[in-house]
Amino acid sequence: EAGVAQSPRYKIIEKRQSVAFWCNPISGHATLYWYQQILGQGPKLLIQFQNNGVVDDSQLPKDRFSAERLKGVDSTLKIQPAKLEDSAVYLCASSFTGGRNTEAFFGQGTRLTVV
Amino acid sequence: GNSVTQMEGPVTLSEEAFLTINCTYTATGYPSLFWYVQYPGEGLQLLLKATKADDKGSNKGFEATYRKETTSFHLEKGSVQVSDSAVYFCALSSGAGSYQLTFGKGTKLSVIP
Repeated sequence: EAGVAQSPRYKIIEKRQSVAFWCNPISGHATLYWYQQILGQGPKLLIQFQNNGVVDDSQLPKDRFSAERLKGVDSTLKIQPAKLEDSAVYLCASSFTGGRNTEAFFGQGTRLTVV
Repeated sequence: GNSVTQMEGPVTLSEEAFLTINCTYTATGYPSLFWYVQYPGEGLQLLLKATKADDKGSNKGFEATYRKETTSFHLEKGSVQVSDSAVYFCALSSGAGSYQLTFGKGTKLSVIP
């Protein structure tokens, strides 16, 4: 079974530039998550999709971050403009149903460095 | 709100030593509890989980028991191996309608031969 695919693996940009990350979840998984993991901290949820609808984006900084999952499959996360504090690993995860006991499967992440 | 507090690292142990990584939580409702592991160069993967009080999750020699009275979910292994070197994250899932994981900060474990 193919896992969660993310690209790129690494990205270095200057502050105020824009960047986009792509995620392809496990086939058949309805729920997709984007997490931000700052060095030395645990992952923090940015946004959760159920199919192509947003379930929770309460922690997404909407003035600069946006995400979409147009066809209910793959997803993109964009940052525009980037700030130094956005340097982090961006993790995509998916689960079959999004229920309380459901296991989430994670991709390897995209490491973003803003200089 | 929900939060997870886990033991600060890094932790360095000799091979075959006993491991405990403490984890306590605060949650609304009735959470499910998880331990995720991140091996070097790999993504997060589920190690074990428990979904109700007194449940014990176990996998690969690791165990953790859901203790509602102490709001804890400590990870233990009787004899660690070099291959267990990784970062371990305690997490919970709780909410009303949208269940998402709240993670602790992670504990880095290094096992030396």
